Amino acid sequence: AQKITQTQPGMFVQEKEAVTLDCTYDTSDPSYGLFWYKQPSSGEMIFLIYQGSYDQQNATEGRYSLNFQKARKSANLVISASQLGDSAMYFCAMREVSYGNNRLAFGKGNQVVVIP
Amino acid sequence: KAGVTQTPRYLIKTRGQQVTLSCSPISGHRSVSWYQQTPGQGLQFLFEYFSETQRNKGNFPGRFSGRQFSNSRSEMNVSTLELGDSALYLCASSSGIQETQYFGPGTRLLVL
Repeated sequence: AQKITQTQPGMFVQEKEAVTLDCTYDTSDPSYGLFWYKQPSSGEMIFLIYQGSYDQQNATEGRYSLNFQKARKSANLVISASQLGDSAMYFCAMREVSYGNNRLAFGKGNQVVVIP
Repeated sequence: KAGVTQTPRYLIKTRGQQVTLSCSPISGHRSVSWYQQTPGQGLQFLFEYFSETQRNKGNFPGRFSGRQFSNSRSEMNVSTLELGDSALYLCASSSGIQETQYFGPGTRLLVL
């Protein structure tokens, strides 16, 4: 069963506008971590932000924030003030703590193109 | 600190050959994980090593193997290559189990 779902089609975003990328997850593990990574066309996966399942506050890292809604099993990424360099694929990933390992399960990704 | 490095960056092989990919983690990181990325299957976990021990393995055939050395560098090997093994192979390192993984630039493997 798919653990991470990212279903939005490719998005065009105007420079300086905010964009929200949807991510829903499925787990029975009470302890888990959620991650967002950015993958430009070069291929490297760049870590953006992390949210733990027991964190009380939504995570923020600069222009990135994570809208964590635990009851809905949702972990949406918000990018504020989009820049041309934000054009990339964005992946949501989950690590289930109870397995005691580093294994990440990834979604299919969201394509974002920022236009001037 | 230098990031995760992977060599080679690009590789072309033919069916039936074998290939070895190398990954050098961030200095001080002891955990290395490998992932395969294809357009059809997306990102899939291959295996994870910590202190030279394989801790977890994904659902891949035995043709895929790996190892980790005492300096935390890791290699993965694919024997008897198939066309479907064409993919971007990503290595990630972390300071320990349950820590954030940082990825390398990947190795693009093309099997002809």
